Amino acid sequence: DGGITQSPKYLFRKEGQNVTLSCEQNLNHDAMYWYRQDPGQGLRLIYYSQIVNDFQKGDIAEGYSVSREKKESFPLTVTSAQKNPTAFYLCASSDNRDRVGADTQYFGPGTRLTVL
Amino acid sequence: SQKIEQNSEALNIQEGKTATLTCNYTNYSPAYLQWYRQDPGRGPVFLLLIRENEKEKRKERLKVTFDTTLKQSLFHITASQPADSATYLCALDNNFNKFYFGSGTKLNVKP
Repeated sequence: DGGITQSPKYLFRKEGQNVTLSCEQNLNHDAMYWYRQDPGQGLRLIYYSQIVNDFQKGDIAEGYSVSREKKESFPLTVTSAQKNPTAFYLCASSDNRDRVGADTQYFGPGTRLTVL
Repeated sequence: SQKIEQNSEALNIQEGKTATLTCNYTNYSPAYLQWYRQDPGRGPVFLLLIRENEKEKRKERLKVTFDTTLKQSLFHITASQPADSATYLCALDNNFNKFYFGSGTKLNVKP
């Protein structure tokens, strides 16, 4: 079965702790993305990566960090510097073969992070 | 600044009717626009894509229009069913493989 997996589904963290969210894909996609979704708001882009060993900041990168050492994996670390980390985090990937655009995004099931 | 607007109020319709959802945008010139469906607690699922040079796209009971002059896309579900109840998101690209999403409109189809 091809797809994107995110783990864990629910995550609780004490204030001041760093936490890493996992995202793995077996779709052989070049591009991967991390979004944050808050109630009543659209998805906001945190970081994205077009290719292995390269990534760019999205619109709300402060307090987050990522790595892209393997094509299949794009973990997101929520650091203690992120002031409001409680949210629903979504990982996505896309093929990017069509450089003109029109890349469908495939999303994982999401991780709900709660800071206690 | 760039903005994507979807009606934040839920749309309630009767089974069998056509649901029409709106996506308006400002300060963008997207090459294409996408519509996604999101169920509670789950990731969005791609439905349809329409390019800037296309006026209309259809897939089964779904139809999308794209008016670059009005800066608006309409998403229609004909013969709606209770199973169509979900939140529908529109997304635009910024021509650099970055996507911007609206906040979504919740659709409730009553039997």
